[in-house]
Amino acid sequence: GAVVSQHPSRVICKSGTSVKIECRSLDFQATTMFWYRQFPKKSLMLMATSNEGSKATYEQGVEKDKFLINHASLTLSTLTVTSAHPEDSSFYICSAREDRSSYNEQFFGPGTRLTVL
Amino acid sequence: AQTVTQSQPEMSVQEAETVTLSCTYDTSESDYYLFWYKQPPSRQMILVIRQEAYKQQNATENRFSVNFQKAAKSFSLKISDSQLGDAAMYFCAYRSAFGNQFYFGTGTSLTVIP
Repeated sequence: GAVVSQHPSRVICKSGTSVKIECRSLDFQATTMFWYRQFPKKSLMLMATSNEGSKATYEQGVEKDKFLINHASLTLSTLTVTSAHPEDSSFYICSAREDRSSYNEQFFGPGTRLTVL
Repeated sequence: AQTVTQSQPEMSVQEAETVTLSCTYDTSESDYYLFWYKQPPSRQMILVIRQEAYKQQNATENRFSVNFQKAAKSFSLKISDSQLGDAAMYFCAYRSAFGNQFYFGTGTSLTVIP
């Protein structure tokens, strides 16, 4: 089955530093990937839609200068949290839409837990 | 915008028994997909079952089945013969047939009692 990986699985950083999270589709091509944020015991909130070869589309209220998204290839999207602050601590999940799926099938990565001290 | 409502924040079921998780949604679209995802403590989102709105027949996957009532905009999940491994957070989700965005409910935390 289709697999999506995320790296790292968890990261701890100091306030003010930047952190990059990778999302990879391992056995399929994904022109479009999605980044979600999930607070403890809460639902997933879509942050942005990542498109290969073009700019990401951000949801209302999400700072594009703070959450930089790069979709450099058909299998890789990265989310960089710039100048991280404690309030950015959260669980970040990506999903990838399989290009060849007739259902626009999306597969979720295992998530990355970010802790900003 | 579409909304998905899960009115049961927590549910519990005895092992081997049956439990039903509720979900309602609001949309003006006629063609869409509905999903139930399971999120165990590992936080990996696992697809449990998918229903296409144009199909009248309720989807079934082994011990998991849905009761899809399109007119009532209701999409409940029934778990039969509950197992300890079923314990997780369950999210109901909506996606337009022509779009990419998922709309998730707030989740139901399911506990399975041995």
